[in-house]
Amino acid sequence: GAGVSQTPSNKVTEKGKYVELRCDPISGHTALYWYRQSLGQGPEFLIYFQGTGAADDSGLPNDRFFAVRPEGSVSTLKIQRTERGDSAVYLCASSTTSGGNTGELFFGEGSRLTVL
Amino acid sequence: GDSVTQMEGPVTLSEEAFLTINCTYTATGYPSLFWYVQYPGEGLQLLLKATKADDKGSNKGFEATYRKETTSFHLEKGSVQVSDSAVYFCALSSNTGGFKTIFGAGTRLFVKA
Repeated sequence: GAGVSQTPSNKVTEKGKYVELRCDPISGHTALYWYRQSLGQGPEFLIYFQGTGAADDSGLPNDRFFAVRPEGSVSTLKIQRTERGDSAVYLCASSTTSGGNTGELFFGEGSRLTVL
Repeated sequence: GDSVTQMEGPVTLSEEAFLTINCTYTATGYPSLFWYVQYPGEGLQLLLKATKADDKGSNKGFEATYRKETTSFHLEKGSVQVSDSAVYFCALSSNTGGFKTIFGAGTRLFVKA
């Protein structure tokens, strides 16, 4: 498909477990973003990659959250020792913008994480 | 830091009514402004954008004008349709904000036939 793909679409886990969420951006998009969206709220910025490097990780809430993009394409968001408050929809977006602020973000449909 | 404030919903309108969803922003630098829409069961998608003061973005009958003097980017449509029912998000991206896009909380619109 041509769009941003996120897997899994739904993940239910128990408190304290480790979770990985995967994002496959649109081919050729150099910029990749992770957001978190809680019910009734707008997307909250977590981290932004330009190529392989994290250009801005100021939104990661604590050191339990980590993201990688080793080859500049697919990215994985990793959450250690999950807590019930981590329950949300995790959105990935990609963009052709290389450092500019005028570009459109293309979003995936999200990974819904539920921590019991 | 940069932020976006938009009117709370839900907004309920009858078909063919006029729509306004207010959005104001706070930003350092010169942000670009966006409206994104999330239809039921779908991902967020860009509706329109404006990249400098006095620019008007438009798409699908929706319009918004970048007003620097009032730091606003209100969304308007002259005649809404049932198919416009969705959640609308105002957003900004600033060159001094690290190029991340900041979103408002969203406004849910219901249009009745």
